[in-house]
Amino acid sequence: DTGVSQNPRHKITKRGQNVTFRCDPISEHNRLYWYRQTLGQGPEFLTYFQNEAQLEKSRLLSDRFSAERPKGSFSTLEIQRTEQGDSAMYLCASRLAGGPGGGELFFGEGSRLTVL
Amino acid sequence: RKEVEQDPGPFNVPEGATVAFNCTYSNSASQSFFWYRQDCRKEPKLLMSVYSSGNEDGRFTAQLNRASQYISLLIRDSKLSDSATYLCVVPESSASKIIFGSGTRLSIRP
Repeated sequence: DTGVSQNPRHKITKRGQNVTFRCDPISEHNRLYWYRQTLGQGPEFLTYFQNEAQLEKSRLLSDRFSAERPKGSFSTLEIQRTEQGDSAMYLCASRLAGGPGGGELFFGEGSRLTVL
Repeated sequence: RKEVEQDPGPFNVPEGATVAFNCTYSNSASQSFFWYRQDCRKEPKLLMSVYSSGNEDGRFTAQLNRASQYISLLIRDSKLSDSATYLCVVPESSASKIIFGSGTRLSIRP
C-alpha cells in the first residue's frame, strides 16, 4: 500500500498521559499536514511541514502539542498531559506541492484518541 | 469572520434532485480551491479541484466567484451514494496552510 498510513489507529489513554501518533506520508510528497477532527466538524488545521521544516503551527494549538518530521519522511505528533478535550480523530495528509494534479491532499485513515 | 464558511446542513433531498452548496472564504489571495467528500468515519477524499471560473465532472459542477469570494458545488440527478459530508477546502496560498470548512452534510433519500 503506497498511501498515507497512520498508527496507532485507535488510542485510549487516561488523562495526564502522553501519547504519540505516527504518520508515514506518500514517499515522494514533500508536504505533510496534521489535522484534528471532532464529530460534526471539518478537519481543523494543526501544523504542516515542508520536508523536515515545520512551516506553520496553529495559533490555537496548545504548547502540549508538538510535531516533528526529522528526516523529511515520517512525522510524529505528540500530545503531553492529555486532557479530555483532546479526544478527537487526528488526521495526517500529504501532498506534492507544485506537482501535477494541483497538489491534491491525500489523507491517512486517522488516529482516533479517546482520553478518559 | 471564519476563514472558510459553508452552508449549514444537513441537506435532505430525494433521489434525482439537484442540490447546491455554497462556501465563502476570507483570503482574497487564495488561488485554488477544492471540494472534498468525507463518508462517515472515513478520511476526506478529493472530489473536485477548482482553479479558474469553474469545473465540471459528470453530475458535479463547481463554480468560483472571485469577486464575491465564494465557491459552489452543484450535484445533479443525485444518487443515494452521494450521501456524505462535503468539505470546502481553501489553501491560503501556494506556500501555506490548507483550511477546511466545517462541512455540509448531505443525505439523499429514496
